[in-house]
Amino acid sequence: DQQVKQNSPSLSVQEGRISILNCDYTNSMFDYFLWYKKYPAEGPTFLISISSIKDKNEDGRFTVFLNKSAKHLSLHIVPSQPGDSAVYFCAARSDTGANSKLTFGKGITLSVRP
Amino acid sequence: DGGITQSPKYLFRKEGQNVTLSCEQNLNHDAMYWYRQDPGQGLRLIYYSQIVNDFQKGDIAEGYSVSREKKESFPLTVTSAQKNPTAFYLCASSADRGMSEAFFGQGTRLTVV
Repeated sequence: DQQVKQNSPSLSVQEGRISILNCDYTNSMFDYFLWYKKYPAEGPTFLISISSIKDKNEDGRFTVFLNKSAKHLSLHIVPSQPGDSAVYFCAARSDTGANSKLTFGKGITLSVRP
Repeated sequence: DGGITQSPKYLFRKEGQNVTLSCEQNLNHDAMYWYRQDPGQGLRLIYYSQIVNDFQKGDIAEGYSVSREKKESFPLTVTSAQKNPTAFYLCASSADRGMSEAFFGQGTRLTVV
């Protein structure tokens, strides 16, 4: 049973436009959400995060929105650049302390066309 | 230059052989994790360790073993009992047990022939 879902496997946008990557979750105990970016044959790199007590977090071109009632979050990239082309993973954390761990979605492949 | 290092980047083994993947970090992080990535799948947690000499099974621990004798090192052994060992393996570490941000290594591509 997948607790973190990224239902669209891929997204293609024009350079300069907005990219919106969506993520849904089912576990109401998730209290912290993260987005990671991954290039082929490399490890993921942390991009941005949001706590469940907030509904928005912004860092430069990247903004994450959280809708707790809908159990939905989204990553907005604006303006999109060709270097943003990568796989983006949504991750959620449940619990803190001894058993804390991240649960990842399957990832979305973003292609930004020049 | 702090970071997390996995070696080797590519590894080939014959079926039935055990193989150990290395993961070292000099970030002074308490927590370390092993994930596996398969095509079309997210990252699935194999094992994690919140402190030296202690570790817990993740979601897909069967066929794997780990040790955490030193804070800096968290090696993963893929045993012959793992039915589908060919995958991309990622090691991660985090400064806090809450895993508010995890840093990943570059990964090891294991191919079993």
